[in-house]
Amino acid sequence: GAGVSQTPSNKVTEKGKYVELRCDPISGHTALYWYRQSLGQGPEFLIYFQGTGAADDSGLPNDRFFAVRPEGSVSTLKIQRTERGDSAVYLCASSPRQGQTDTQYFGPGTRLTVL
Amino acid sequence: AQSVTQLGSHVSVSEGALVLLRCNYSSSVPPYLFWYVQYPNQGLQLLLKYTSAATLVKGINGFEAEFKKSETSFHLTKPSAHMSDAAEYFCAVSHNQGGKLIFGQGTELSVKP
Repeated sequence: GAGVSQTPSNKVTEKGKYVELRCDPISGHTALYWYRQSLGQGPEFLIYFQGTGAADDSGLPNDRFFAVRPEGSVSTLKIQRTERGDSAVYLCASSPRQGQTDTQYFGPGTRLTVL
Repeated sequence: AQSVTQLGSHVSVSEGALVLLRCNYSSSVPPYLFWYVQYPNQGLQLLLKYTSAATLVKGINGFEAEFKKSETSFHLTKPSAHMSDAAEYFCAVSHNQGGKLIFGQGTELSVKP
């Protein structure tokens, strides 16, 4: 079946602009996670959803970052007033549940470049 | 707090040689541990995971890992490297609340002909 998809695959924007990154999880997966991967680093947790609600947003770096999942499926990560330090690959993952042992299935990521 | 440390940001082996990628964890609760692989321009793919059922875990593509509580380690091995194994490998621990993953820095594996 279809895996996790993310759009766009690449996004180039200018400092100060607003961007939206989209994630389509595997159908039926209730848990959805966002991570950010900077060059040469491992992915870092941003936020995760169980259904429509954000269960843990402790990884969001500041209030410029926000994410929604209004119908419990597709999620959008929104970044306001982008800064050059926001440049990274943004990864989305979904899981059948939010359990500790459940496998997370990752999308290919969105590479964000802030000029 | 939970964390993982991967020793060696870059490992190079010859084709056919043993692959050993090191991962040590820190956790105040019994950990659940994962190894993911990332091929160039592709998403992270699960290799294997430890969920306390058995300490020796076998994964895809001939990889395996052994959970050693006394050493707080979960090293990844493969008896014979193949050129197609060249990729970035990440060790991760699953947080005890909600299952978010905490990743190590990654180890890039190169395989020489």
